[in-house]
Amino acid sequence: GAVVSQHPSRVICKSGTSVKIECRSLDFQATTMFWYRQFPKQSLMLMATSNEGSKATYEQGVEKDKFLINHASLTLSTLTVTSAHPEDSSFYICSAMLDRGYTGELFFGEGSRLTVL
Amino acid sequence: AQSVTQLDSHVSVSEGTPVLLRCNYSSSYSPSLFWYVQHPNKGLQLLLKYTSAATLVKGINGFEAEFKKSETSFHLTKPSAHMSDAAEYFCVVARGSTLGRLYFGRGTQLTVWP
Repeated sequence: GAVVSQHPSRVICKSGTSVKIECRSLDFQATTMFWYRQFPKQSLMLMATSNEGSKATYEQGVEKDKFLINHASLTLSTLTVTSAHPEDSSFYICSAMLDRGYTGELFFGEGSRLTVL
Repeated sequence: AQSVTQLDSHVSVSEGTPVLLRCNYSSSYSPSLFWYVQHPNKGLQLLLKYTSAATLVKGINGFEAEFKKSETSFHLTKPSAHMSDAAEYFCVVARGSTLGRLYFGRGTQLTVWP
């Protein structure tokens, strides 16, 4: 089946630094990718829709200047957490859509755990 | 707006007994509904999806779910639990027409006792 890879799987950084997380579709092209965050023992929350070649669409309440999304190619979307703070510590998960008309299939990465000290 | 409510945060069953994970949805129109499973340290895996075709949906690993419009429910069932079924299960609804914009329920942790 289709594979979506995230890198890094774990990252620890100091408060105030920026961290980039990559999401790659390994064996298919994805014009649309999605970014979620998951707090411990909680559900996934959609952050934004990443569109290849255009600006990302952010969900209400998500700071676009804080969470920079770039979808420069059909197989790569990146999420950059800028000036990270401890409250940004979370599990970030991406998904990529394999276009099959209306019933596109969605594949999830294994997630990236960010810890901000 | 679309949303889902998972009625149980934890469900415990004995191996070989039936599994029932409950989910109710709220939607202003015919929703697309999914069940995903998340094993520890692994990515989310799609169990099954409902997209306005047959109301009884069969998924992987023996799971199935029935869409009941009158009850606004989409409960997940399995006749006989296996130890390997122990995981977190999420009931999910698509927001609007974009299937990738998903609203996740809070999750149900399934424990399977030997």
